[in-house]
Amino acid sequence: QQQVKQSPQSLIVQKGGIPIINCAYENTAFDYFPWYQQFPGKGPALLIAIRPDVSEKKEGRFTISFNKSAKQFSLHIMDSQPGDSATYFCAASNGGATNKLIFGTGTLLAVQP
Amino acid sequence: DAGVTQSPTHLIKTRGQHVTLRCSPISGHKSVSWYQQVLGQGPQFIFQYYEKEERGRGNFPDRFSARQFPNYSSELNVNALLLGDSALYLCASSLWDRGLNSPLHFGNGTRLTVT
Repeated sequence: QQQVKQSPQSLIVQKGGIPIINCAYENTAFDYFPWYQQFPGKGPALLIAIRPDVSEKKEGRFTISFNKSAKQFSLHIMDSQPGDSATYFCAASNGGATNKLIFGTGTLLAVQP
Repeated sequence: DAGVTQSPTHLIKTRGQHVTLRCSPISGHKSVSWYQQVLGQGPQFIFQYYEKEERGRGNFPDRFSARQFPNYSSELNVNALLLGDSALYLCASSLWDRGLNSPLHFGNGTRLTVT
């Protein structure tokens, strides 16, 4: 119930391509879905987040698509660049007694020049 | 403004020893959380502290403890270290108040190696 399942585990795209990373959850109490980007040796950095009352959110080249009925959400990176090569994590939480995030297992993205 | 700062950046300990990790949150943030990130996996929630009180605890043994100080900085303590405790320990701060989701801002972590 508390898991967030993320796929694929790794992804290779060419520069300019649109990598798509998918996540699925079971707990319908989740109401906050952020995506984090992590470079080697660094902590995760917040990219973009969405709440279930909207189906899509864009910030720059990053877009989250959210399907509440399917309990799935995904990250699209438009016009991907080699500098986007990193590990991406989806996460989920529910507003309540804690600010606890449940993270997915991560997707290692490589953008080739 | 400075982000979340953690110290030390790297640490090597022997099995059975104890360790203390330190975290300073972003100025104005009263909530501090600790996460453990094992290589190749997503971060796992250990603790959240808000206004010096424990607000949440993850599925970790009692060897793990933490506290938050009046200036909102925090310490994570791990006793009787095991090889499996080797991981990146992340601290995150936020403007969280009860019932509200607010973005977590992570530090760069402390890399703990237990030999």
